[in-house]
Amino acid sequence: AQTVTQSQPEMSVQEAETVTLSCTYDTSESDYYLFWYKQPPSRQMILVIRQEAYKQQNATENRFSVNFQKAAKSFSLKISDSQLGDAAMYFCAYRSSPIVIKAAGNKLTFGGGTRVLVKP
Amino acid sequence: NAGVTQTPKFRILKIGQSMTLQCAQDMNHNYMYWYRQDPGMGLKLIYYSVGAGITDKGEVPNGYNVSRSTTEDFPLRLELAAPSQTSVYFCASSYAGTGGYTFGSGTRLTVV
Repeated sequence: AQTVTQSQPEMSVQEAETVTLSCTYDTSESDYYLFWYKQPPSRQMILVIRQEAYKQQNATENRFSVNFQKAAKSFSLKISDSQLGDAAMYFCAYRSSPIVIKAAGNKLTFGGGTRVLVKP
Repeated sequence: NAGVTQTPKFRILKIGQSMTLQCAQDMNHNYMYWYRQDPGMGLKLIYYSVGAGITDKGEVPNGYNVSRSTTEDFPLRLELAAPSQTSVYFCASSYAGTGGYTFGSGTRLTVV
C-alpha cells in the first residue's frame, strides 16, 4: 500500500515571502498522480495543484508550484508571495493510475498535513 | 451547481445512538468515498464505492456501514456510536480517472 509522509507539522512564513512544504511518498507503481489540497479554517478541502507522474514538467498554478522528483519520490509545494489567505492546513495526496488499479476505486491516500501560518 | 452535499453539518450523539450521514452528488460521478479526519490529522478512508450497488472497505471501516443504491447518494451509517467516532466526516466523489476529488463541506460529529 502507498504511504504519504509530510514531515513538517507546521511552517511559518512572512507575508509576501516564499514557503516550501515537503512531501514524500512510497510506491512501487510507475504511473500515478499527486495532489496538494488546502484546508482553511472553514474545513473545506480545496484542490491546489495536480501532477501526473509521467510528466517531467513541474505543475504550476499561479503562485503555487511543485518540485516533483520521481526518483526520490518527493513532491514539494512552493507558495510564492504568500498572502494571509494562504493560511491553512495543506495535505499532500497520492492516487494510483486508474489503468493499474481500476477495481480499487482510485483512492486518494493523504499525508498527515502541514499547517501554514502567515505573519502580516 | 451543488457539487457534493453533506448533511447534517454538525451533530452531537450520545454513546450507543445511531445515525446516518447523508451525501449526495449531482455530477454523475461513479466513484464516491467517505473519509474521517481526526483533530490535527490527515484523512483516513472509511468506505468507498465504484458504482451503484458496489461498496468496499477502506482503512477504518469498523463501526460503520454504507450503501449505494443510486449513483447520486452514498449514505454512511453509524451504529452504536462510540466516543472514538468523534471526528469530522467528509464525503467525496470523482470520475474513475486521474483527477482529484470533489469534497463535501464535512460533518462534525461529537459522541458524548
